[in-house]
Amino acid sequence: DQQVKQNSPSLSVQEGRISILNCDYTNSMFDYFLWYKKYPAEGPTFLISISSIKDKNEDGRFTVFLNKSAKHLSLHIVPSQPGDSAVYFCAASLNSGNTPLVFGKGTRLSVIA
Amino acid sequence: DAGVTQSPTHLIKTRGQQVTLRCSPKSGHDTVSWYQQALGQGPQFIFQYYEEEERQRGNFPDRFSGHQFPNYSSELNVNALLLGDSALYLCASSGIYEQYFGPGTRLTVT
Repeated sequence: DQQVKQNSPSLSVQEGRISILNCDYTNSMFDYFLWYKKYPAEGPTFLISISSIKDKNEDGRFTVFLNKSAKHLSLHIVPSQPGDSAVYFCAASLNSGNTPLVFGKGTRLSVIA
Repeated sequence: DAGVTQSPTHLIKTRGQQVTLRCSPKSGHDTVSWYQQALGQGPQFIFQYYEEEERQRGNFPDRFSGHQFPNYSSELNVNALLLGDSALYLCASSGIYEQYFGPGTRLTVT
C-alpha cells in the first residue's frame, strides 16, 4: 500500500516554461511534506518543504502548494532550467522533516533547451 | 562544512555474507536515519538513531541492524545477505528540521 504516490514517472518541459510535479498521499496523519531532487550517483538534495498548517511555500523559483482536503501537493518550478533535469521525490512525515520520511517513486523531469 | 559522507561508495557481496556500511553526519546533526532505495523506487525508511539508541524502525527484518557512536556517526549492518538486498543505501542526518542525505552506498549481492 503506497501512502505517497507520484503518478507521473516522467515529465518533459521546455526551458523557460513552468514545470509542475504532482504528488498525492493517502494518510491524513501526515503533517509535513518535502520535495527532494536527485541526480544520478548522488543522494537526494532537499529542495523545499511545507507544513500542513500552510497551503503555499515559496523559495526562489520553487513553490510548493498543499491541498489538504484533496491530499494533494504540487511543486512548481518557474522558469525551468536545463540544470533542473533530475528525478524529483515527494516525501511526507507524521511530525516534522526530522521524523521518518515516506517517499513516492519519483518523477523524472527533463528540461529541454 | 562537510555534508553527510558515506563509505564505501560501492560494494559487491555474495549471498549469505554480512556487510557493514558507514555514515558520518553533517556537522551539528545528532540524528541519523538509514534508507534503502531499490531500482525504480523511492527511498524506504529502515531505522533512525538518536543518542546512540534506535528511535524508530521501518518494516525491515532483524537481519538489518545498526549502531550510533558518541560522535553521532553510524553503521548499518546487514546479515545473511539476499539477492533482494541489492540496492542503494542512503544515510540521512538531521538536527531539528529537514534530513540531509549522503551520496549513498551501492550494494550488489551476487
